[in-house]
Amino acid sequence: EAAVTQSPRNKVAVTGGKVTLSCNQTNNHNNMYWYRQDTGHGLRLIHYSYGAGSTEKGDIPDGYKASRPSQENFSLILELATPSQTSVYFCASGDGDNERLFFGHGTKLSVL
Amino acid sequence: QQKVQQSPESLIVPEGGMASLNCTSSDRNVDYFWWYRQHSGKSPKMLMSIFSNGEKEEGRFTVHLNKASLHTSLHIRDSQPSDSALYLCAASGYTNTGKLTFGDGTVLTVKP
Repeated sequence: EAAVTQSPRNKVAVTGGKVTLSCNQTNNHNNMYWYRQDTGHGLRLIHYSYGAGSTEKGDIPDGYKASRPSQENFSLILELATPSQTSVYFCASGDGDNERLFFGHGTKLSVL
Repeated sequence: QQKVQQSPESLIVPEGGMASLNCTSSDRNVDYFWWYRQHSGKSPKMLMSIFSNGEKEEGRFTVHLNKASLHTSLHIRDSQPSDSALYLCAASGYTNTGKLTFGDGTVLTVKP
């Protein structure tokens, strides 16, 4: 089974603070994704990347930045966190063609 | 408006029974459909994918797709308590297949 690891598992942040969520994959997949899931709902795509050095905007990118410094690592950055960004964030990797996504265990973020 | 609609929102079936879940996309640009299963507090895991009209069976799980109506359905026969989970339908285009649009899911409860 493909391995995607997220850190931290839980994070409490203050409004206006900076938050960085990290993701590491050992699958050697080119593509990585950040989704958020609000209680009782499906996932929504924030940012994605096709490889080291590339980031693309997903469906809800406002208030978020992404960074892909290497094949293995993909970060999501909230420069000025707001309570509306309280959610569970999932990182995923995929190998491209007709790709099945492998999700990490998620990061529960609370912005107070 | 939600582009991927799932029904019902929740479903209770007896152990050994058949569960039927539905999903329709309102986006004519989608080509592929995916079903992910998410147990409580866990990450989503891909259950089945379908790209062509017709039916696909894997063990107790059968998925149907009608591309003309952009409707897919998932059927679980001989349902088990371990099948209790949130079932997420997702759609993607022909390219960028990891850029998924998810529905809000169906909560399936299998009663022993």
